Amino acid sequence: DQQVKQNSPSLSVQEGRISILNCDYTNSMFDYFLWYKKYPAEGPTFLISISSIKDKNEDGRFTVFLNKSAKHLSLHIVPSQPGDSAVYFCAASPERGSNYKLTFGKGTLLTVNP
Amino acid sequence: GAVVSQHPSRVICKSGTSVKIECRSLDFQATTMFWYRQFPKKSLMLMATSNEGSKATYEQGVEKDKFLINHASLTLSTLTVTSAHPEDSSFYICSASRWRTQNEQFFGPGTRLTVL
Repeated sequence: DQQVKQNSPSLSVQEGRISILNCDYTNSMFDYFLWYKKYPAEGPTFLISISSIKDKNEDGRFTVFLNKSAKHLSLHIVPSQPGDSAVYFCAASPERGSNYKLTFGKGTLLTVNP
Repeated sequence: GAVVSQHPSRVICKSGTSVKIECRSLDFQATTMFWYRQFPKKSLMLMATSNEGSKATYEQGVEKDKFLINHASLTLSTLTVTSAHPEDSSFYICSASRWRTQNEQFFGPGTRLTVL
């Protein structure tokens, strides 16, 4: 049973436009969410996070939106750049306990075309 | 800050041998280290969680006698794949978290293991 779902395996956008990556979760115990970026044969790199007490967190070109009632979060990248092309993983954890284990989605491959 | 290294980055071994992978936090003390495995086009699967000086906690379905984890210090954890078989071939990634930001895990670059 997948507790964190990224239903789009891939997304292709034009340079300069907005990229929107979506993530859904089922476990109501999750209250901390993270986005990671991963290039082939490398470890994931932390991008941005959000706690359940917020509905939006912004860091430069990256904004994460959280809709707790819908158990949905999204990552917006604007403007998208070719260097943003990578696999993006959504991850979630309970705020406390379980050693802060992260549960990952399967990832979405973003391709930004010049 | 928050750099995690892994060694080796790539290893090829014969079936039946054991392979040790090191994970180091280079510029911070890691209260907890995690070991993941990633299959092609799949998500990262958590294998085990380890805290310095204590036994690792393994996820369901992960054989602890097969995947030995030692967390000897606040900056080093090792994963030993014992009696490796071709089905153990995978991309193994470690991560580490700091005391004050325990939700945030910093990942190593990964180790590609190929068992012949």
